[in-house]
Amino acid sequence: AQSVTQLDSHVSVSEGTPVLLRCNYSSSYSPSLFWYVQHPNKGLQLLLKYTSAATLVKGINGFEAEFKKSETSFHLTKPSAHMSDAAEYFCVVSEGGGGGSQGNLIFGKGTKLSVKP
Amino acid sequence: GAVVSQHPSRVICKSGTSVKIECRSLDFQATTMFWYRQFPKQSLMLMATSNEGSKATYEQGVEKDKFLINHASLTLSTLTVTSAHPEDSSFYICSASLRIRNSNQPQHFGDGTRLSIL
Repeated sequence: AQSVTQLDSHVSVSEGTPVLLRCNYSSSYSPSLFWYVQHPNKGLQLLLKYTSAATLVKGINGFEAEFKKSETSFHLTKPSAHMSDAAEYFCVVSEGGGGGSQGNLIFGKGTKLSVKP
Repeated sequence: GAVVSQHPSRVICKSGTSVKIECRSLDFQATTMFWYRQFPKQSLMLMATSNEGSKATYEQGVEKDKFLINHASLTLSTLTVTSAHPEDSSFYICSASLRIRNSNQPQHFGDGTRLSIL
């Protein structure tokens, strides 16, 4: 069975400082991993995805994530936080396997990112 | 990019009312649509998966007679919450994907529907 654990329910950073949102996964197969962002009362927007190609994945809005198989981690980072980054972030693993295919999505519990001016 | 439109964005209605939520893929044909429920400050829980032209597959614990799903065309799926009660109040989100050669392409999400039952 696949699962995903987001280690922090809430992260608070100052504008201009680095962002680190942690995610660990459990998977019996080569997983597909995703990070989604959700702004209040909105749906989810895909930030980036790992599909068994390059382990360092670059996404939109300056975010990137590194797939580390030995650590079963897929942490999300950004060098410099912006006020507009304040939102809920979900780490997601797919049962569908690699190659960009998405089976059913299994969501982490989410990390709320607050950005202080 | 792919756009999924969900309507209405917010519904407030009396207990016992049935509520229909629409999910449309605007610029692609969605062979598969997903319906999720999100409780406050919690993650998304998959309710059901619907494939165009066939019956929806419901997750364990989701009442199919309570949450009716119809996926009549490649661009439209509907979720009807029948005889809604206050405990059905939640944020409902749909997503849509295209299946190509036994491979599901990434899901694109609607903006969600906030359902409040008085």
